[in-house]
Amino acid sequence: GDSVTQMEGPVTLSEEAFLTINCTYTATGYPSLFWYVQYPGEGLQLLLKATKADDKGSNKGFEATYRKETTSFHLEKGSVQVSDSAVYFCALSDGSGGSYIPTFGRGTSLIVHP
Amino acid sequence: NAGVTQTPKFRILKIGQSMTLQCAQDMNHNYMYWYRQDPGMGLKLIYYSVGAGITDKGEVPNGYNVSRSTTEDFPLRLELAAPSQTSVYFCASTPNARFSGNTIYFGEGSWLTVV
Repeated sequence: GDSVTQMEGPVTLSEEAFLTINCTYTATGYPSLFWYVQYPGEGLQLLLKATKADDKGSNKGFEATYRKETTSFHLEKGSVQVSDSAVYFCALSDGSGGSYIPTFGRGTSLIVHP
Repeated sequence: NAGVTQTPKFRILKIGQSMTLQCAQDMNHNYMYWYRQDPGMGLKLIYYSVGAGITDKGEVPNGYNVSRSTTEDFPLRLELAAPSQTSVYFCASTPNARFSGNTIYFGEGSWLTVV
C-alpha cells in the first residue's frame, strides 16, 4: 500500500537558517503530494501541493518539488522565522488507485529560536 | 467561510461515559474523515465516509461509531469511554477523493480527556 516517510523531529533552528524537511513516498498509482502545517493548538492546513512529477509547490516562502525518480517531496525554506515553528506533515493522495484515504507521514516538529 | 466545524473543543469524560463529537462542513464535500492524534504522534484514521449513508472503518475504529445521514454532518460517537481514548480528534473533508489533487480541509480539533 501507499506510505509516506518523513524525517524525525524535532528540527531546531535559529532564525534565518535554511530549512529542509525530507519526505519520501511509495505509491501504486500517480499520487498528488502535499505538505500540511499544524500550528500549536490548531488543525492542519494546506501549506503547498504538487499534482504531477516535476511540479513545484510554493507558499509563504516554502517550496517542494515532486521528484518521481527519487520518490521525494522535500520541504525547503531559505530563511525561517520564529512564526514558522509548527508541525509539518507530508501527505499523498492517490485517487487513481481506488483509495479514498489520504496517507500522512508522522509529522516533523520545527522549533525556531530567535 | 465556516469550513469544517467541530464541537466541543474541549471535554473531560469519566471512564464509562459516552459522548458524541460533532462535525459539520458547509462546502458540500462528499468525503469526510475522523482522525485521532496522540501527543507527539501522527494522525490515525478512525472512520471515513464517501457520501451520505456510507461509512467505513479506518485503522483504529474500536470503541467508536459514526453515522452519515446528511452530506454536511459526520458525528463520532464514543461508547464507554476509556483512558486510551484521551486524544485530540480531528474531522476533515475533501470534495472528491477520486481526484488526487483535492485539498483536505481540517477542523480545529476536539481535545478529549478521559479520567
